[in-house]
Amino acid sequence: DVVLTQTPPTLSATIGQSVSISCRSSQSLLDSDGDTYLNWLLQRPGQSPQLLIYSVSNLESGVPNRFSGSGSETDFTLKISGVEAEDLGVYYCMQATHAPYTFGAGTKLELK
Amino acid sequence: EVQLVESGGGLVQPGASLKLSCVASGFTFSDYWMSWVRQTPGKTMEWIGDIKYDGSYTNYAPSLKNRFTISRDNAKSTLYLQMSNVRSEDTATYYCTREIGDYWGQGVMVTVSS
Repeated sequence: DVVLTQTPPTLSATIGQSVSISCRSSQSLLDSDGDTYLNWLLQRPGQSPQLLIYSVSNLESGVPNRFSGSGSETDFTLKISGVEAEDLGVYYCMQATHAPYTFGAGTKLELK
Repeated sequence: EVQLVESGGGLVQPGASLKLSCVASGFTFSDYWMSWVRQTPGKTMEWIGDIKYDGSYTNYAPSLKNRFTISRDNAKSTLYLQMSNVRSEDTATYYCTREIGDYWGQGVMVTVSS
């Protein structure tokens, strides 16, 4: 199975600060169809996960553009340019290139 | 508005069977692959499997394929997860998702304990 390693496990930020989360894959997530199925999810406290970014860098409809994703092959990054209070929660990367699909362990974003 | 509403969870004894349901609305259910994902009490996320839009193909996590079965009834816009011979490690919140996670249900808790 593909292992996704997220760092850091916990991130403390002030409102307005820019932060980044890393997700590294144990194998390339470039699919034979040319797409790279690496998504980013946010789970706010007490809520279900919600999709933020799909296929590395595509912003899901309704997601603020302070969120951005980048990367390729095995190294991926989620950046939040100016953290807001509503961004607090746990961020997960997820890959859907290789079955079984797998998730990172999560990065908890909290207020400093 | 897309909605996914799971039901059927609860307290179940080890070795028993349980069937979860997920009723979908707000989109054409029969046009989409659907998945089940679970989250353990420790917050680990695990993909269980998915099913093609017409129900003709399913894909499972190898560790679960002998005990879990995914099915769907497109006439009822409903996704199912049949769990058999459940174990304590199956204790989790179970989510249905559209495709590979563009929409998630609110989740349903399953606790396996004697």
